[in-house]
Amino acid sequence: KQEVTQIPAALSVPEGENLVLNCSFTDSAIYNLQWFRQDPGKGLTSLLLIQSSQREQTSGRLNASLDKSSGRSTLYIAASQPGDSATYLCAVGGSRLTFGEGTQLTVNP
Amino acid sequence: NAGVMQNPRHLVRRRGQEARLRCSPMKGHSHVYWYRQLPEEGLKFMVYLQKENIIDESGMPKERFSAEFPKEGPSILRIQQVVRGDSAAYFCASRTSGRENNEQFFGPGTRLTVL
Repeated sequence: KQEVTQIPAALSVPEGENLVLNCSFTDSAIYNLQWFRQDPGKGLTSLLLIQSSQREQTSGRLNASLDKSSGRSTLYIAASQPGDSATYLCAVGGSRLTFGEGTQLTVNP
Repeated sequence: NAGVMQNPRHLVRRRGQEARLRCSPMKGHSHVYWYRQLPEEGLKFMVYLQKENIIDESGMPKERFSAEFPKEGPSILRIQQVVRGDSAAYFCASRTSGRENNEQFFGPGTRLTVL
């Protein structure tokens, strides 16, 4: 049974700082890994999708890496802004997604 | 191209009533997933459907819950005789046909409150 763990559970940083969110999974037989953002009371916004054959994806200030052999992914956020404050979710799978419990990020002005 | 649409956005039911949640996938998407997010918990897979077929319902509670995705119209998640423990946010996601690792796009969710 796939299990996904995200560390840390919560993170508070000053504006402008670079930061790393971590995601680990127990079963390396995955098709893809997605990072999402969830704002309070809202739905999920897909940030980055990494296929199993890829090692990283970049979008703007975001960079996500995938190491299937070690069962890990990281989401790197450069030059953080208060608008980045949200819960970040990692999900692995193929058809059905298994989610971590998220990292709640607060970026202070 | 509109995204995944869900309605209602908020639904209040009393214990014992029925709840019907609707999901319209993105245009051209024929694969639909339902996930549930209980308070203070992560999202959990419930059911995966294609048009007129249930592909995987391994995450669905055995009683009171059912889902369908008819040939015409939205996908429906139906909860009969709701209980307080059903209070949660229910999210629908859709993807295109083809590879199973195609990106899933999520709707805004339906927040169900059972009084």
